Amino acid sequence: EAQVTQNPRYLITVTGKKLTVTCSQNMNHEYMSWYRQDPGLGLRQIYYSMNVEVTDKGDVPEGYKVSRKEKRNFPLILESPSPNQTSLYFCASSLLGGANTGELFFGEGSRLTVL
Amino acid sequence: AQSVAQPEDQVNVAEGNPLTVKCTYSVSGNPYLFWYVQYPNRGLQFLLKYITGDNLVKGSYGFEAEFNKSQTSFHLKKPSALVSDSALYFCAVRDGWDGGYQKVTFGTGTKLQVIP
Repeated sequence: EAQVTQNPRYLITVTGKKLTVTCSQNMNHEYMSWYRQDPGLGLRQIYYSMNVEVTDKGDVPEGYKVSRKEKRNFPLILESPSPNQTSLYFCASSLLGGANTGELFFGEGSRLTVL
Repeated sequence: AQSVAQPEDQVNVAEGNPLTVKCTYSVSGNPYLFWYVQYPNRGLQFLLKYITGDNLVKGSYGFEAEFNKSQTSFHLKKPSALVSDSALYFCAVRDGWDGGYQKVTFGTGTKLQVIP
């Protein structure tokens, strides 16, 4: 089954304790991206990657890091989480090139609470 | 810069009645337009898209959307609402310029409540 898998789905942590949210896709998509969803703000892009070892900032990258060492994986790293990073996070992927119309495939989301 | 506006935070409609969820957009080139749906505690799911061609596009679960270039709108519609359609709906746009990956911009979402 084609899917984007995120883990953990739910996490409560404390300020300053490093955490990683994993994302994996099995569709051989070149493009992967992280979004955060906050009430009234919709989805805002954090980071994206157009291929292995190619990453770039989105609209709200502060406080986050990413890496793309393998095509299928795109982890989101919070080196020192703060309460303003409490949010619902989504990983998404899509094709690039001629087949790309921008349609995104989303994971189920990771709800993060930073105390 | 491209943008998407969903002017209604919430739309209420009676079951069996037609529904419309509004979306307007701004993009410099030709727009690629999308609707996604999000059910509680789930990720976003693709509903339909407009790339080119017929202004009326049909998608999943009986939804359709009408592209109106002069009004820069892409409203989501369904002839007869079901209670199970209750969810959060997002409109999205990207610039259709074929120069590699183009960013997809999302609206703030509209909560659809179908009343039995």
